[in-house]
Amino acid sequence: GENVEQHPSTLSVQEGDSAVIKCTYSDSASNYFPWYKQELGKRPQLIIDIRSNVGEKKDQRIAVTLNKTAKHFSLHITETQPEDSAVYFCAALDSSYKLIFGSGTRLLVRP
Amino acid sequence: DTAVSQTPKYLVTQMGNDKSIKCEQNLGHDTMYWYKQDSKKFLKIMFSYNNKELIINETVPNRFSPKSPDKAHLNLHINSLELGDSAVYFCASSRGTSGRTGELFFGEGSRLTVL
Repeated sequence: GENVEQHPSTLSVQEGDSAVIKCTYSDSASNYFPWYKQELGKRPQLIIDIRSNVGEKKDQRIAVTLNKTAKHFSLHITETQPEDSAVYFCAALDSSYKLIFGSGTRLLVRP
Repeated sequence: DTAVSQTPKYLVTQMGNDKSIKCEQNLGHDTMYWYKQDSKKFLKIMFSYNNKELIINETVPNRFSPKSPDKAHLNLHINSLELGDSAVYFCASSRGTSGRTGELFFGEGSRLTVL
């Protein structure tokens, strides 16, 4: 089955700096890769996703890149703000249509 | 209006008890899920139902039994609760089967504490 690894587990950046979170997956048949943000005590919410026919997708300050050959994808947040502080999860949809989540990255943006 | 609602939000109970968590979605989605989030924040799928039929059943103890009376509801019943069952349980729904047609909408979570 699919295995998704996510790094780093914690990330602390200064407000205004960029943050990068990386994930790798094992199932080469996986074709959908969403990213979810979970604020403290809240539900996970989708912030951006990418399908395997696209290499990069951008939405304002966030972007996701996908390298199918290497089986890894990354989340990039530019000009970070304190409200970006949260736990971020990557995920991959495996060949049996299960969404498998990474272990999460706790991002802290220091004012 | 709450899209995916689950009750109760908090549940504190003794080992050995039986408890249920209820979930309802008003989005008209076909697929509903139960995820477990442990203290280390790992989000792990437990079950998935599509139009009231079980389509995903991960390696979960048979003390956990999901029930879907209709496609808008997915309840989770847990028998003989153990300490290790303490976690936040998230209900979710999606328009199609998992991510094929878009995002998962999560409920607010139900924090279960087993003493």
